Amino acid sequence: AIQMTQSPSSLSASVGDRVTITCRASQGIRNDLGWYQQKPGKAPKLLIYAASSLQSGVPSRFSGSGSGTDFTLTISSLQPEDFATYYCLQDYNYPHTFGQGTKLEIK
Amino acid sequence: QITLKESGPTLVKPTQTLTLTCTFSGFSLSTSGVGVGWIRQPPGKALEWLALIYWNDDKRYSPSLKSRLTITKDTSKNQVVLTMTNMDPVDTATYYCAHTSYSSSWFFDYWGQGTLVTVSS
Repeated sequence: AIQMTQSPSSLSASVGDRVTITCRASQGIRNDLGWYQQKPGKAPKLLIYAASSLQSGVPSRFSGSGSGTDFTLTISSLQPEDFATYYCLQDYNYPHTFGQGTKLEIK
Repeated sequence: QITLKESGPTLVKPTQTLTLTCTFSGFSLSTSGVGVGWIRQPPGKALEWLALIYWNDDKRYSPSLKSRLTITKDTSKNQVVLTMTNMDPVDTATYYCAHTSYSSSWFFDYWGQGTLVTVSS
């Protein structure tokens, strides 16, 4: 199975900050990567699919980039509602695999 | 509007079989380019992909759990059922079902609220 490694595991930031989260695949996955946001007690929410496509209804401050093995999720200006845990997911092959998560906390 | 909801027991005993039902609306699993999957999340831990069934009855499983999992669909009832045999306390988790489709590049774009299953004697 392809391993997805996110960094950092946790991150402290302030409202208005620009934040970048990285996801690395153990082998090339083209652009078959998505990003999810999860808040406590809630189901994950799809933010980005196909590495850089913004899901409908998601604010434009979220963006994704990358191809092959290295991917990034960027939040251009953190808002209070963005403090959550973020996961990457590869759907290049089966089993689809998630990263271990990045917890974004308020500084 | 697409919605999904998981149902099933909240408590199962070790060695028992878990049966979870995902009841959905707003789409049909007989429509080309659609699928429903199951994902779980142990308390305080990361998400784990379990299984996926497509409109054409193609089924995919996590290799680590393949021997214990079965996923089926009932298009007339708009339901997908996941069974997991030989439950163990390490299987304690919130179990989610989710919709996927060609239009979202096969990523899960709509999720159920999740159901917490506890495995304990």
